Amino acid sequence: GAGVSQTPSNKVTEKGKYVELRCDPISGHTALYWYRQSLGQGPEFLIYFQGTGAADDSGLPNDRFFAVRPEGSVSTLKIQRTERGDSAVYLCASSLAGPPGNTIYFGEGSWLTVV
Amino acid sequence: GENVEQHPSTLSVQEGDSAVIKCTYSDSASNYFPWYKQELGKRPQLIIDIRSNVGEKKDQRIAVTLNKTAKHFSLHITETQPEDSAVYFCAVISSGSARQLTFGSGTQLTVLP
Repeated sequence: GAGVSQTPSNKVTEKGKYVELRCDPISGHTALYWYRQSLGQGPEFLIYFQGTGAADDSGLPNDRFFAVRPEGSVSTLKIQRTERGDSAVYLCASSLAGPPGNTIYFGEGSWLTVV
Repeated sequence: GENVEQHPSTLSVQEGDSAVIKCTYSDSASNYFPWYKQELGKRPQLIIDIRSNVGEKKDQRIAVTLNKTAKHFSLHITETQPEDSAVYFCAVISSGSARQLTFGSGTQLTVLP
């Protein structure tokens, strides 16, 4: 596609529910990243995929968060037992190859609100 | 891990004036330094980047300077226009094990007409 596409753009869910956020990277990009951005702050790294494998998941805050990229293209971020503190914008990004030095392009984000 | 500090947190300038935003980083192995512009409710968009083998890079009204010895880099916007108003984030990637973007806390730039 022309850019990184994320769905849903907005999601309101109740505390304790399960949520899936989807990312479709730029066609041909092997590297895919998930970031989380809270209001008034810079994006914070969650996980980085190179192809199908998670090359670095050191940013995932706890075991309620999980992400997959089974075919090396589309990725899904999964959040179990959501908490109000999970409310944030979840940004997906992709680059032609892995870091460093390859331009990283962001999607518009999925705004998650946990009530 | 990498620590990135960005200043100022807010900046107001008159249209036509210059704006400068500064960032410092902690990891001397860092070698890629992009700047992103983010408008309210929109995605971060890359506006300029610099690699560690270059001291300065310019693209029309935007320039970035890098001082690897002092571990700081700056964004310079000249002849500012109201549409430059946005939040600007610096970021750093290290060539070490933590090979992902670490962002600064952002600068809210307001260009007054």
